[in-house]
Amino acid sequence: SQQGEEDPQALSIQEGENATMNCSYKTSINNLQWYRQNSGRGLVHLILIRSNEREKHSGRLRVTLDTSKKSSSLLITASRAADTASYFCATNTNAGKSTFGDGTTLTVKP
Amino acid sequence: SAVISQKPSRDICQRGTSLTIQCQVDSQVTMMFWYRQQPGQSLTLIATANQGSEATYESGFVIDKFPISRPNLTFSTLTVSNMSPEDSSIYLCSVDGGGTETQYFGPGTRLLVL
Repeated sequence: SQQGEEDPQALSIQEGENATMNCSYKTSINNLQWYRQNSGRGLVHLILIRSNEREKHSGRLRVTLDTSKKSSSLLITASRAADTASYFCATNTNAGKSTFGDGTTLTVKP
Repeated sequence: SAVISQKPSRDICQRGTSLTIQCQVDSQVTMMFWYRQQPGQSLTLIATANQGSEATYESGFVIDKFPISRPNLTFSTLTVSNMSPEDSSIYLCSVDGGGTETQYFGPGTRLLVL
């Protein structure tokens, strides 16, 4: 079974609003990563947060990690239509191999 | 970051046939991974391919169904054998980021089996 579970499964917002996606996992991790996938194409790596970090920023992205709750969140601020995509969290417990969550499909309406 | 290409980008195949997917990386990498993404679902790891050794398959995937080659540090192939409609998926290869703790993904091969 997948390591990560994400919610919501689908999220629809207006341009300019913030989008928050959550990810939960089951075992101890080395790091957690977020990826974006546009229309069933290849994945694009967005951000990595290590198990000893609690928060990380990259542009309009903010990721938090709570290892005590085994959960992470991805916040996209001031969303744009181009942010429409599926977002996946992935946990890494062994070198190089990632286990993916179920994903959140984000739709940003112009 | 690594630049990864896959061939073919998509294909439509008849059941019972086999398809070989190629993955080319623009730099030498130790570990390459093959994932399957069934329609509307997340990615599932099929196997890890290291150069010079046999691929390591995840639970539920076997070599007879998904033979993998890794002849050098920049190339790998995945064959989907004796295909059935249930094999219709996107197949993605990825590589480890060489110490960056990230993975880089190819654009995927979209397979439809009729």
